[in-house]
Amino acid sequence: GAGVSQSPSNKVTEKGKDVELRCDPISGHTALYWYRQRLGQGLEFLIYFQGNSAPDKSGLPSDRFSAERTGESVSTLTIQRTQQEDSAVYLCASSLVSRGDGYTFGSGTRLTVV
Amino acid sequence: AQSVAQPEDQVNVAEGNPLTVKCTYSVSGNPYLFWYVQYPNRGLQFLLKYITGDNLVKGSYGFEAEFNKSQTSFHLKKPSALVSDSALYFCAVTFGRGYQKVTFGTGTKLQVIP
Repeated sequence: GAGVSQSPSNKVTEKGKDVELRCDPISGHTALYWYRQRLGQGLEFLIYFQGNSAPDKSGLPSDRFSAERTGESVSTLTIQRTQQEDSAVYLCASSLVSRGDGYTFGSGTRLTVV
Repeated sequence: AQSVAQPEDQVNVAEGNPLTVKCTYSVSGNPYLFWYVQYPNRGLQFLLKYITGDNLVKGSYGFEAEFNKSQTSFHLKKPSALVSDSALYFCAVTFGRGYQKVTFGTGTKLQVIP
């Protein structure tokens, strides 16, 4: 597609429920990244994909968080047993290569855990 | 470890005046430096990057940034601010060849006053 698409744009969920956030990167972009942006704070790195594999998962905050990517396309970030501190905007970005080229970000998914 | 600091949470400038948004960094190798802008309710947009070469880098919307190795800074500048420049600006850094995680600053809110 023309840009990075994320869905849903907004998600309200009850504490303890599981949620899935989806990212469609730009076609042909081999690198994909997930970041989290809490209200009034900077971007917090979660995970990096190169193709199918995730060579850097160091930012996933707990084992409740997981992500997968199908080929060089769609990625899904799953949060199990959501907690209120998971409330944030989850941003996905993609780039042609992983060597510091500018990222193209999606508009994000605003997750609210009530 | 790499880090980036944006010392000002908010910068106010009158329309037509020059603007500067400050950024300093710390990396263990040669830095790759980036600026991104986030308009309200929209995703982050890539503005410009420094990889190597001229210390003055020009980017989108008339913005430029100057890499200063001795001061480890990469300040964002524009000669004449527009009200439409009002947004949240993020500085980011990575280093070296191959994959290295990009670290973002906490952001600076730019308010251009008509």
